[in-house]
Amino acid sequence: DAKTTQPNSMESNEEEPVHLPCNHSTISGTDYIHWYRQLPSQGPEYVIHGLTSNVNNRMASLAIAEDRKSSTLILHRATLRDAAVYYCILRDYGNTPLVFGKGTRLSVIA
Amino acid sequence: DVKVTQSSRYLVKRTGEKVFLECVQDMDHENMFWYRQDPGLGLRLIYFSYDVKMKEKGDIPEGYSVSREKKERFSLILESASTNQTSMYLCASSTSLATHQETQYFGPGTRLLVL
Repeated sequence: DAKTTQPNSMESNEEEPVHLPCNHSTISGTDYIHWYRQLPSQGPEYVIHGLTSNVNNRMASLAIAEDRKSSTLILHRATLRDAAVYYCILRDYGNTPLVFGKGTRLSVIA
Repeated sequence: DVKVTQSSRYLVKRTGEKVFLECVQDMDHENMFWYRQDPGLGLRLIYFSYDVKMKEKGDIPEGYSVSREKKERFSLILESASTNQTSMYLCASSTSLATHQETQYFGPGTRLLVL
């Protein structure tokens, strides 16, 4: 899996939008962009994924740059329960284990 | 909902003991994985399995073995526990669909302390 770069940490106020960036300049044409998050004392959980078009689900939105070399996970209204480490991961084919980087630790301030 | 359960949330063992960490998934997934997570090092893959009785080494298999006798169960074995195996252990499972969209589901983790 290709490499991704994320900021180590970010901070947000409660009920404000959060934009978590991810750079993946070496992404290949067949790589999907996946996001997982890990809440304190829990295992990681899937958030969202996409290929080229922006994606929305009940948890978040994923905005993908036109050249696909970067993407942004958007939490529209951060809550205290969104405080977690967020991982951006590129997937080429299934059946291979996820390769986790260090992720971005998001703190949410009340 | 997919459920991945791990036998213990917390475990304390002594150096030299044989340790079994059990993982069970209820979604008939073919693939199962064991990771360990340490501060500053992130999640690292220990072993994974694509099918019953099959296993593949991950990035850090030394000091560990695994067993997959049934599809739903994947066991991680520390043959002789050492203090440097103190860590959080995470199990995951996924379907065998070879697509870019395959999702891994994780258990809650087992925090192991080796004294």
